[in-house]
Amino acid sequence: DTGVSQNPRHKITKRGQNVTFRCDPISEHNRLYWYRQTLGQGPEFLTYFQNEAQLEKSRLLSDRFSAERPKGSFSTLEIQRTEQGDSAMYLCASSWSGMKGSGGYTFGSGTRLTVV
Amino acid sequence: GEDVEQSLFLSVREGDSSVINCTYTDSSSTYLYWYKQEPGAGLQLLTYIFSNMDMKQDQRLTVLLNKKDKHLSLRIADTQTGDSAIYFCAESMDSNYQLIWGAGTKLIIKP
Repeated sequence: DTGVSQNPRHKITKRGQNVTFRCDPISEHNRLYWYRQTLGQGPEFLTYFQNEAQLEKSRLLSDRFSAERPKGSFSTLEIQRTEQGDSAMYLCASSWSGMKGSGGYTFGSGTRLTVV
Repeated sequence: GEDVEQSLFLSVREGDSSVINCTYTDSSSTYLYWYKQEPGAGLQLLTYIFSNMDMKQDQRLTVLLNKKDKHLSLRIADTQTGDSAIYFCAESMDSNYQLIWGAGTKLIIKP
């Protein structure tokens, strides 16, 4: 297993365009998380899935944001009508729900979005 | 509300010990973590501690937890240039639930 993989690594888009990011978690992991990180800040929780079910969404996740994990494996995060304030690093992480006490997150390297 | 605070910068000489501090507000936090982020890289879990522990040691890393004061520290012994990174403190109530993060402490190593 090569860890958590995110694509693309970088995305530059014009304001108003739609973008989609992909995350491939560690195959044994049933939980998948999306976080957003801006410069000089820690990550902010966006949403998480257990298998294919989206169990929680942050109020940061406006209606322009949608995340899916259709088969409980990879996940996509789509941002519609991008705004300059959406510019950030989007981080994906995965874990196994039965892995108590291990601090179980494994992060991907992130997708850096720049909205111009 | 939940809040995790850290100093933004720490500068140490190579070979000295680094001590990075963190305070949190949620007394129900069960797990406390230290993550490392190098430039252009993702977040790497360094170590974690349960709230019922006072100390945890792992090679050059020592984590101290003062639950009464809600204070967590990470000590890196014999700091090396490869330790240059941003170190994040995070807390959660469950080992697989959402984490609440500090803003990170940038560790600067002086030769």
